[in-house]
Amino acid sequence: SAVISQKPSRDICQRGTSLTIQCQVDSQVTMMFWYRQQPGQSLTLIATANQGSEATYESGFVIDKFPISRPNLTFSTLTVSNMSPEDSSIYLCSVGRGLAGETYNEQFFGPGTRLTVL
Amino acid sequence: GNSVTQMEGPVTLSEEAFLTINCTYTATGYPSLFWYVQYPGEGLQLLLKATKADDKGSNKGFEATYRKETTSFHLEKGSVQVSDSAVYFCALEDSGAGSYQLTFGKGTKLSVIP
Repeated sequence: SAVISQKPSRDICQRGTSLTIQCQVDSQVTMMFWYRQQPGQSLTLIATANQGSEATYESGFVIDKFPISRPNLTFSTLTVSNMSPEDSSIYLCSVGRGLAGETYNEQFFGPGTRLTVL
Repeated sequence: GNSVTQMEGPVTLSEEAFLTINCTYTATGYPSLFWYVQYPGEGLQLLLKATKADDKGSNKGFEATYRKETTSFHLEKGSVQVSDSAVYFCALEDSGAGSYQLTFGKGTKLSVIP
């Protein structure tokens, strides 16, 4: 299994500012995912972050708005840029696969970052 | 593309009642199916899973059977407790494309009253 932590756990931000969310895993993983959960809604995949390559974004999400870093096999960041109230959501990271030869067969989720934009 | 449709909520049941939350899916390949649970104020936790047709996933008294013929993965529990109050998400992972992404249903909020 994998234990995931996220920072910050919550934040209240002003319109037009940016927030960087950190995701730390207790083991090396190949694939990390970033999801958004808008109030009362399901989870929507923002992007897939693989170490050593550019993140792959889903339809409706762009790198300029949600830049992602993946500097090593245990860490990733998601930045929410030029925020507006519509960005108020819970942002979650998850991991899906370990290194070659180690498969989880499930995704483990971090506790989430609750973002409120005023 | 892949999609998951689950029963709209909210669902309110009395303690010890029988629970069914319906989930059907559309997938291009042979997906794995999951039920995740989100308790109030907490993150997402895996409840149970099934990776191939006719598999039954079970955990904490909850069960779901992977039915390929009806493309369904309905969640059931024989006797719910107040502590089962949470939001339940059905999800699929279609690893055929090598992406391992999860596609979620909209979630069903369950409230169990004493």
